[in-house]
Amino acid sequence: GAGVSQSPRYKVAKRGQDVALRCDPISGHVSLFWYQQALGQGPEFLTYFQNEAQLDKSGLPSDRFFAERPEGSVSTLKIQRTQQEDSAVYLCASSLQGPQPQHFGDGTRLSIL
Amino acid sequence: AQTVTQSQPEMSVQEAETVTLSCTYDTSESNYYLFWYKQPPSRQMILVIRQEAYKQQNATENRFSVNFQKAAKSFSLKISDSQLGDTAMYFCAFTTNFGNEKLTFGTGTRLTIIP
Repeated sequence: GAGVSQSPRYKVAKRGQDVALRCDPISGHVSLFWYQQALGQGPEFLTYFQNEAQLDKSGLPSDRFFAERPEGSVSTLKIQRTQQEDSAVYLCASSLQGPQPQHFGDGTRLSIL
Repeated sequence: AQTVTQSQPEMSVQEAETVTLSCTYDTSESNYYLFWYKQPPSRQMILVIRQEAYKQQNATENRFSVNFQKAAKSFSLKISDSQLGDTAMYFCAFTTNFGNEKLTFGTGTRLTIIP
C-alpha cells in the first residue's frame, strides 16, 4: 500500500500475556519510529530504527518491551508479561533519512484486562 | 529536557471563522524543526505544516499558516476559513536530533468546528 500499515488495529489481552504489534512502513523509508500514546495525551517516543539498526531505544519503558526490524523493512514491537499500564495506542511512523516528515500508521489500540 | 506546551486543551469555532492554536517549546538547540500534526478520530496522525527553525519566513500551506517566534520559542497555528473537516486533535511537535529525528509532542488541542 501507499501508507504505513499497522496490525492489528485492536488488540485485547489479559494481564501477563505477551503481544506482538506489526508495522509495515512505506517502501524505501529508512527511518522507522514507534510511539506510545496514552488516552488524552500526545505520543511519546519509544524507539528508532535506521534500516535494521536500532539506534535509540531510550523510550522503551521497561525490559518487557522489545522491538526489531530484522530486514530493514517490517518492524515488530513485542511486549512481554503485559501490565494494565501498557494499555495505549501504539503508533508507528516512517520517513526518508534525515529531517523529513514522518508518515504515521493508524496505530494499534492495545487494551490489557 | 526538551518540552512542548499546548495550553489550550479544547477550542471551538464557527465554520468559516479563523482560529489560532498556541504552542511553546523549550530547547537549548539552535537548529530544529517544528511541526503541527492533525489527528482525527480515525487516529492517523497527518502532517499539517512544517517549519525549519533557521528560516525566518513563516510556513504556509493553503488555509494553514504559522507564526514562528524563535526568540519567544513560540509556534502558533492559524487556520483560516475553518471547515468541518478540520475538527480533530492538533499536536505541536519538534525534533532537534538530526540523525535520530524522534519527535517530542505536546499534549494536544481538541478543535471542534461548529456548523
